[in-house]
Amino acid sequence: KAGVTQTPRYLIKTRGQQVTLSCSPISGHRSVSWYQQTPGQGLQFLFEYFSETQRNKGNFPGRFSGRQFSNSRSEMNVSTLELGDSALYLCASSLAILQGTYNEQFFGPGTRLTVL
Amino acid sequence: KNEVEQSPQNLTAQEGEFITINCSYSVGISALHWLQQHPGGGIVSLFMLSSGKKKHGRLIATINIQEKHSSLHITASHPRDSAVYICAVGKQVRDDKIIFGKGTRLHILP
Repeated sequence: KAGVTQTPRYLIKTRGQQVTLSCSPISGHRSVSWYQQTPGQGLQFLFEYFSETQRNKGNFPGRFSGRQFSNSRSEMNVSTLELGDSALYLCASSLAILQGTYNEQFFGPGTRLTVL
Repeated sequence: KNEVEQSPQNLTAQEGEFITINCSYSVGISALHWLQQHPGGGIVSLFMLSSGKKKHGRLIATINIQEKHSSLHITASHPRDSAVYICAVGKQVRDDKIIFGKGTRLHILP
C-alpha cells in the first residue's frame, strides 16, 4: 500500500497570504489528522477529519481550517499567515473506526512552511 | 506541567551502548505511541502499546499503566539510530486527541 502523501513538501509565503496544504491518506483510512511542529512547541494537534466531518479540534485560531473530501483526501488552509506559522505541518491517517479509541497513526513526510 | 514528559531531552552515547528513553504522563490513556523522527522531518511509528512490553528487532518498549510510565530501550545502538524519539499518548476520554512529549534527541557516535 502506498503511504501517506503530502503536497507540497516545501512552501514559502509572505505574511498576510494564505496557504492550502494537501494530504492523501493510506487507501482505506478514513481519518486524517493534522499536526503542527515547531522547535519551541513541538508537535501539536490541529484537527481531525473523519468521513468528511471535523471530529476533533486542537487549540488553534480560526485562521487554521480544513476539510475532507469523499475520497478521504484532506486539505488544510491557513489564512492571513503570520511569521509564527512557520512550521512543519504533518498529516497522519488511521482507520479510526471508533471515536474515543486510540488508533495507530501513519504519518506523511510533512510540508515545511516558511513565512517571510 | 506538561501532560507528557520525556527524559532525557538530549542523549549522546557511543555505538553499542544500551539506550533508555523515558516517558511519564499524567492523564488516563487508551494507548501510548513511540515515534521516531529523522532529520528532514518524516515520522515513523515504532510501537503502539497499552500494556506490557513489545519488541521489534533491537527496540523494546514497555509500559506500566499503574505508574503512568513507559520506556523505550535500544540495544546495541548504532549511528543510524540517531533521531528524535517522541512519546505520544491517546487520552482516555471521548475524543482521541493525541498529546506529544517534547521528544528526546539521540545521537549515537561511531
